[in-house]
Amino acid sequence: SYVLTQPPSVSVAPGQTARITCGGNNIGSKSVHWYQQKPGQAPVLVVYDDSDRPSGIPERFSGSNSGNTATLTISRVEAGDEADYYCQVWDSSSDRLWVFGGGTKLTVL
Amino acid sequence: EVQLVESGGGLVQPGGSLRLSCAASGFTFSSYWMSWVRQAPGKGLEWVANIKQDGSEKYYVDSVKGRFTISRDNAKNSLYLQMNSLRAEDTAVYYCARGTRGIAAAGTPFDYWGQGTLVTVSS
Repeated sequence: SYVLTQPPSVSVAPGQTARITCGGNNIGSKSVHWYQQKPGQAPVLVVYDDSDRPSGIPERFSGSNSGNTATLTISRVEAGDEADYYCQVWDSSSDRLWVFGGGTKLTVL
Repeated sequence: EVQLVESGGGLVQPGGSLRLSCAASGFTFSSYWMSWVRQAPGKGLEWVANIKQDGSEKYYVDSVKGRFTISRDNAKNSLYLQMNSLRAEDTAVYYCARGTRGIAAAGTPFDYWGQGTLVTVSS
């Protein structure tokens, strides 16, 4: 089955840039979506189709995808960005059609 | 405003059954693929099942095939998940999530999620 690998944690100071990676075999050929989940809350879509933002999501959130790595970039990080972030792709060859990464805990120092 | 409200969770013994519901509002429910996604306590997200707009196509993660059934009632704007032969590893918060309006769901994101309902399988 297709596996997405994320770092368990990323730490960044307020105002700095956070980069959260999502590794997968030839992930650059797939559309990657990113979700933010704060404690006790439902996930929220923050980036879809590699780099598009849903309405209402700040421009500080951006994405890229190439080769074997997709990246969610959060610029000018704020305390309110502290959350778990999950990447997601669709893979018809897997035992599950939608595959999620294991999640990355973003800590704002 | 799009709203998805899950219900039906609770404590059930191993081997038991439970039916989850998701009430949708604020959008044309019958126009969208819908999914169930679960999250075990302290763990990550896992897609469980999805269903096409008219119910004609249904897909499941291998671990629930033959035990879970996804369905929908477009007249009632509701999504369901019938869960049978429950196991301890099915313990999780179950979310319903809205998919695409397209003909095919492949590659599309989940743009709205409910708050989830907790299912606990334990004796």
